[in-house]
Amino acid sequence: DPKIIQKPKYLVAVTGSEKILICEQYLGHNAMYWYRQSAKKPLEFMFSYSYQKLMDNQTASSRFQPQSSKKNHLDLQITALKPDDSATYFCASSQDPGRGGQLYFGEGSKLTVL
Amino acid sequence: AQSVTQPDARVTVSEGASLQLRCKYSYSATPYLFWYVQYPRQGLQLLLKYYSGDPVVQGVNSFEAEFSKSNSSFHLQKASVHWSDSAVYFCALTPYGSSGNKLIFGIGTLLSVKP
Repeated sequence: DPKIIQKPKYLVAVTGSEKILICEQYLGHNAMYWYRQSAKKPLEFMFSYSYQKLMDNQTASSRFQPQSSKKNHLDLQITALKPDDSATYFCASSQDPGRGGQLYFGEGSKLTVL
Repeated sequence: AQSVTQPDARVTVSEGASLQLRCKYSYSATPYLFWYVQYPRQGLQLLLKYYSGDPVVQGVNSFEAEFSKSNSSFHLQKASVHWSDSAVYFCALTPYGSSGNKLIFGIGTLLSVKP
């Protein structure tokens, strides 16, 4: 059974709209992350949260807003969608935010912006 | 700037053959290095990791990797592949002493194992 649930798995949006990607982890971890993989590019770190606090933000645009309502939730709200936002978004978690720890990933949410 | 290069986008081998997937990194010091695997319809899973010490590290499913500081490489190897090894393999690093688990990934290598 997957321990990190991402919803939806696939979504299509129109330019200018807003979407929320859901992530829940059932591993009892204290740190959660978002990564993005655009076509023909490596996975790219976006955010890290530890104990529901933002630790690191490598996303230049404020259109991307993580939201943590519970310790095991880290949703990603994307506003004013653009075609360049089309990518697969991966949620991940780790026991703690320490150095070089093992990350556990969800299956990803594939977003297509038309 | 740190980076990871996986020069082979796709590798095809026959079942039972040996395998090497290449990974080169760019970093001024010794990083923490990882190999992750993504099987179809699953999330990425850690295969193995290198922090320090013995340059040859063992991972799950008989995979191993060898760290070479002189070559800035961390190639993944397996003596005999099985069809179930077909997946996408990602090499990644995080700078030594960094916090926050900010991994820098390569683009991935798609491994196809022919029966």
